[in-house]
Amino acid sequence: DAGVIQSPRHEVTEMGQEVTLRCKPISGHDYLFWYRQTMMRGLELLIYFNNNVPIDDSGMPEDRFSAKMPNASFSTLKIQPSEPRDSAVYFCASSSGLARYEQYFGPGTRLTVT
Amino acid sequence: DQQVKQNSPSLSVQEGRISILNCDYTNSMFDYFLWYKKYPAEGPTFLISISSIKDKNEDGRFTVFLNKSAKHLSLHIVPSQPGDSAVYFCALAAGNKLTFGGGTRVLVKP
Repeated sequence: DAGVIQSPRHEVTEMGQEVTLRCKPISGHDYLFWYRQTMMRGLELLIYFNNNVPIDDSGMPEDRFSAKMPNASFSTLKIQPSEPRDSAVYFCASSSGLARYEQYFGPGTRLTVT
Repeated sequence: DQQVKQNSPSLSVQEGRISILNCDYTNSMFDYFLWYKKYPAEGPTFLISISSIKDKNEDGRFTVFLNKSAKHLSLHIVPSQPGDSAVYFCALAAGNKLTFGGGTRVLVKP
């Protein structure tokens, strides 16, 4: 199993630009989570999906952030427009309903907004 | 407000000795408790967990202890090995969501 796949691994963009982060969960997992890690706030949950349906987006910081999961094997997190304070590492994780707390994390996308 | 705190940002231990990591929480709604390990440039990986109905769970060199009355969770690693050098996060579950502590960086010296 390839594990959770995220792309790109690194993204550098200018303020105001649109950024799209991508995630492919582990096959068969029905939960997908997006996290953000910063020095100030640590690792925080942004949104999670169950069976491709967004369940809780209370962690999404602003309307500039949106997430979609069009099918069981793909999810995106979009920031538009991006701001320097969005600079962080963004992780995607997936899990199976039988062990939904034991989440498998991708390697993360390091986003830098200048 | 920080619901989950790891008060020691770093820990240095000699190879072969015990590493003890601590995690305190404030919310009584948490019902499942986990530890994750993270190496640089990688995502966190699940290490060990414990449900709220237990007070101890052991898996090889790793043991997690839960003291619900004190709202305290700890992870013991014995014996510590150089490959254990990483950042360790406690993660507490309520509903389908995990709340992570700030992490403790462990350095195991050979």
